Amino acid sequence: GNSVTQMEGPVTLSEEAFLTINCTYTATGYPSLFWYVQYPGEGLQLLLKATKADDKGSNKGFEATYRKETTSFHLEKGSVQVSDSAVYFCAQDLFGGYQKVTFGTGTKLQVIP
Amino acid sequence: DAMVIQNPRYQVTQFGKPVTLSCSQTLNHNVMYWYQQKSSQAPKLLFHYYDKDFNNEADTPDNFQSRRPNTSFCFLDIRSPGLGDAAMYLCATSRGLAGGPRYNEQFFGPGTRLTVL
Repeated sequence: GNSVTQMEGPVTLSEEAFLTINCTYTATGYPSLFWYVQYPGEGLQLLLKATKADDKGSNKGFEATYRKETTSFHLEKGSVQVSDSAVYFCAQDLFGGYQKVTFGTGTKLQVIP
Repeated sequence: DAMVIQNPRYQVTQFGKPVTLSCSQTLNHNVMYWYQQKSSQAPKLLFHYYDKDFNNEADTPDNFQSRRPNTSFCFLDIRSPGLGDAAMYLCATSRGLAGGPRYNEQFFGPGTRLTVL
C-alpha cells in the first residue's frame, strides 16, 4: 500500500547546525510529496512541496528534492534556528478526485541556543 | 485574512457525554476534512466532505459523525466519547480538483484538544 516513513525523533541540534530529516515513501503511481510543520499548540502548515520527480521544494531556508530512484524526499536546512523547533511531517497525496494526504509519524526537532 | 477557524480550542467532556466540535472557513473551499491526531502520532483522516458529498474512511468508528450545513461550516459529533477518543482534532480545507490542477494544498485550523474525563 501507500505509506510514508520518516526518521524517528526527537532530533536535538544546536543553533546554526545542519538539519536532515529523512523521508521515504511507497506508492503506486507518482504522488505529490509534502513537508508540513506543526508548531507547539498549532495546526499543520504546509512548508514545501514537490509534484514530480527531480522537483525541489523550498521555503524559509528548507529544501527537499523528489527522488524517484530512491523514493525519498529528505528535508534539509543549512542553518537551523531556535524558531525552527517544531514537529515536521512528511506526506504524500493519493490522487482520487481530492487530496487525501498520507502523513508520516512526524519528527520532533528541538533547536537549542 | 482568509482562514480555517476551530472552536473551541480546548474541550472537556465526560465519558459518554456527546460533544460537538466546530470548524468554519472563509476560503470558500469545496473540501473539508476532519483528522484525529493523538499524541506523537500522525494525523489520521476520519472523513471529508466534497461539497455536500460525505466520504467516510473505512476504519472511522460509528461513534464519529459529521455534518456540513453549508460551505463554510463543518461539525464533528462524537456521540459517546470514550477515554480513547481524547486527542487533538484538526479541521482542514482544500479547493478540490474539479477542473483544476492535480495538486491542492490543505489548509489546517489550529485544532481542538479534546479531554475525556
